[in-house]
Amino acid sequence: KQEVTQIPAALSVPEGENLVLNCSFTDSAIYNLQWFRQDPGKGLTSLLLIQSSQREQTSGRLNASLDKSSGRSTLYIAASQPGDSATYLCAVDQTGANNLFFGTGTRLTIIP
Amino acid sequence: KAGVTQTPRYLIKTRGQQVTLSCSPISGHRSVSWYQQTPGQGLQFLFEYFSETQRNKGNFPGRFSGRQFSNSRSEMNVSTLELGDSALYLCASSFVGLRQETQYFGPGTRLLVL
Repeated sequence: KQEVTQIPAALSVPEGENLVLNCSFTDSAIYNLQWFRQDPGKGLTSLLLIQSSQREQTSGRLNASLDKSSGRSTLYIAASQPGDSATYLCAVDQTGANNLFFGTGTRLTIIP
Repeated sequence: KAGVTQTPRYLIKTRGQQVTLSCSPISGHRSVSWYQQTPGQGLQFLFEYFSETQRNKGNFPGRFSGRQFSNSRSEMNVSTLELGDSALYLCASSFVGLRQETQYFGPGTRLLVL
């Protein structure tokens, strides 16, 4: 069974710093990997989706990489801002039919 | 374009009761997935519907069921509620549920079972 792990569980950094969030998965047979953010009491917002054939995706200050063979993905956030404070979740799709396996999340706090 | 909407947003039930949650996908989206989020288990996939048919099902007991209507709106039902069913229930929609599509999530329904 696919297991998705995110380390660290929580992270606090001063505003303006660059940071990296990590995601690892046990079964490399995936269709895609997505990064989401979740604000307290809210649903999920999709940040980036990386297809299994891709190595990375970028959106603004966010860059996500995927190394399928080693079962790892990273989310790089440049020049962090207080508005980036949220829980970040990675999820892998193994069936290609929206059956996502989610990680446990990293709670990120940006200190002004 | 309106996002995914879920009703009700909050719900309190007692053990043994049943509950029905509703999800309206983004206009034009035909795939709807349901997830359960708890502090202990995190986010877990319940089931996915496309064109009124269940295409995928997660590892949940038969007390959890769902359906999808011809307008793509979906409902999920939980019968004989247990304390452990207390959770945030999220639904997500996409056009046809293919692997290159992003899923758009609703705000969730928070269910408390007493």
